[in-house]
Amino acid sequence: TQLLEQSPQFLSIQEGENLTVYCNSSSVFSSLQWYRQEPGEGPVLLVTVVTGGEVKKLKRLTFQFGDARKDSSLHITAAQPGDTGLYLCAGGTTSGTYKYIFGTGTRLKVLA
Amino acid sequence: DSGVTQTPKHLITATGQRVTLRCSPRSGDLSVYWYQQSLDQGLQFLIQYYNGEERAKGNILERFSAQQFPDLHSELNLSSLELGDSALYFCASSPGGGFSYEQYFGPGTRLTVT
Repeated sequence: TQLLEQSPQFLSIQEGENLTVYCNSSSVFSSLQWYRQEPGEGPVLLVTVVTGGEVKKLKRLTFQFGDARKDSSLHITAAQPGDTGLYLCAGGTTSGTYKYIFGTGTRLKVLA
Repeated sequence: DSGVTQTPKHLITATGQRVTLRCSPRSGDLSVYWYQQSLDQGLQFLIQYYNGEERAKGNILERFSAQQFPDLHSELNLSSLELGDSALYFCASSPGGGFSYEQYFGPGTRLTVT
């Protein structure tokens, strides 16, 4: 059972547009990470959010952790071709046995 | 370059065989994590070792095993291989034992089982 659902699954946008990627679950997470992965490479950590309601900014990327720590969003402002990649959320849940789970992924393509 | 190395980069083998994947963590990192990435299952956490001891277990099959050696490198052993084991296998390392620490991923080993 996949506990972290990401939407949209695929996104193709023009350079300069804004976008939001969502990561949703019915489980509570002790912390949540966002990664970006490029083809043939391992994921690279972008941010970790720990506190419910937390907002973190990384240049043009804004990350938010839901108040109940069950969901998160990633907003990109003025997307650039270099933002192209697979975006993954991941987190650890303590409901039952501790598990670290990756989301289903959002594949973003930014066209020049 | 994350500082995590994995060998081999590619591996092609037949069903029923056994393979060993190797991972060297970043200098100073005590934790090693193993992940499997396939098209239908996405990225799945397999197992974590911290300073030589198993720390957390994910969706690792009984046919798979891992260990971390005193020099902190780790090996993932896959046996009785099946076609469905074909995937990218990543290892990651971090300084501490919890998942909130930043994990640095290696370039992966692409395993093809024929």
